[in-house]
Amino acid sequence: AQSVAQPEDQVNVAEGNPLTVKCTYSVSGNPYLFWYVQYPNRGLQFLLKYITGDNLVKGSYGFEAEFNKSQTSFHLKKPSALVSDSALYFCAVRDMHTGFQKLVFGTGTRLLVSP
Amino acid sequence: DSGVTQTPKHLITATGQRVTLRCSPRSGDLSVYWYQQSLDQGLQFLIQYYNGEERAKGNILERFSAQQFPDLHSELNLSSLELGDSALYFCASSSSGSGYNEQFFGPGTRLTVL
Repeated sequence: AQSVAQPEDQVNVAEGNPLTVKCTYSVSGNPYLFWYVQYPNRGLQFLLKYITGDNLVKGSYGFEAEFNKSQTSFHLKKPSALVSDSALYFCAVRDMHTGFQKLVFGTGTRLLVSP
Repeated sequence: DSGVTQTPKHLITATGQRVTLRCSPRSGDLSVYWYQQSLDQGLQFLIQYYNGEERAKGNILERFSAQQFPDLHSELNLSSLELGDSALYFCASSSSGSGYNEQFFGPGTRLTVL
């Protein structure tokens, strides 16, 4: 079955510094990967996706993600963090193995950006 | 605002009861997904409907059921509620059922079972 892992429960970064939120995947076949963000008391918001093509994917709010096939990773990055980026971030993969059209989410990483 | 609406926002009920959660997808979206988010289980996919038909099933208990109506809104029915069913329930929609398109999430319904 398809799965993603987010090895860090929390990432702390100072405002203005670059941030990275890690995600690794395990899939059979081509991976279809997504990043979502969840602000307090809100639903998840789509940030970006990798289906095929360039390994560097640009998304909303200045975020980007780098797809690395050899390392089976899809890390989320931003060159300069903002305090308002503090939220819960989820990596997800489309489950194709069973033919099901569902997303499998990671456990989430809480990003805390300090002023 | 994602365009996906969910009602009610909060629901408090007792064990053994039955509740219905409602979701209206974004205009034009044919696919509706239901998720459960809890502290111990994380974000779990429950079920997907596409244009009125069940498309995919995840970790949905037999006590739970869902349907999508001709106007594309969906309802998730939870019965014989247990304390462990307390969670945030999200609905999401997408334009297709292929899974390639991003899903747009509603604000969620917070269910508390006492």
